[in-house]
Amino acid sequence: DAGITQSPRHKVTETGTPVTLRCHQTENHRYMYWYRQDPGHGLRLIHYSYGVKDTDKGEVSDGYSVSRSKTEDFLLTLESATSSQTSVYFCAISEGQGLGYGYTFGSGTRLTVV
Amino acid sequence: DAKTTQPPSMDCAEGRAANLPCNHSTISGNEYVYWYRQIHSQGPQYIIHGLKNNETNEMASLIITEDRKSSTLILPHATLRDTAVYYCIGAYAGNNRKLIWGLGTSLAVNP
Repeated sequence: DAGITQSPRHKVTETGTPVTLRCHQTENHRYMYWYRQDPGHGLRLIHYSYGVKDTDKGEVSDGYSVSRSKTEDFLLTLESATSSQTSVYFCAISEGQGLGYGYTFGSGTRLTVV
Repeated sequence: DAKTTQPPSMDCAEGRAANLPCNHSTISGNEYVYWYRQIHSQGPQYIIHGLKNNETNEMASLIITEDRKSSTLILPHATLRDTAVYYCIGAYAGNNRKLIWGLGTSLAVNP
C-alpha cells in the first residue's frame, strides 16, 4: 500500500533465533500497529504505538517486543522465535486513535519458524 | 466492543449486486459499524463505515437497520476483483485496542 511498507515480505527462521520485522511509513501518522493473522483467527493486535517511544501491548503481546525511535519506523522483534509465531504479520497506521481515523495496512510479512 | 456475526462464505454472479449481511445485536449506541475487505494475501482495505444512517461511497453502500442490530454491505455491481474476505467490525471510533476482527465473509464473485 502506498505510504506503508513492510520488510521483509517473507522470512524463514529457526526456532530460538531473534527476528525483527520492520514497518516504514511516509504518511507521518501518529499511530502504528502490529497485527498477526492466523487460520481460524481474525486479526489480533500484538502491540501498537501512539508516538515516538510510546508503545503499548495488545491482546497477544507475549513473546514480542516493539520499538519506535522515529515516527516513520515501527519495529517488531521476536526475541526467540517459536513455531507458534509462524504467522502473517501486518502493520497498520492511522492518523488518530481507532478505526474512526481509518487504518491503512501494509502488504504483510509471512514468517515461518522451523 | 461489539461482537459481530457474519456468514462464512457467499457467492455472487459478476455484474450482480452482492449483499453481505452482518449481525451486531450487542452494539451500543456510540459504536460504529466498519467494513473492511482483504483480497488474497494483502492487508485489509477500508470500505465504509456508519453509525445510524445509511452510507454510500464510491465502493459500496451500507444499510443499517433502525434498531442497529444488523447491517448490509452492498456492492452494487460486483466484479471478479471484489472476490475477497469482508470484515464487519463494531467499534467505538476512538478505540484501537479491543477491535474484534472475526473471520469475516469470504465472497466469491463468479463469472
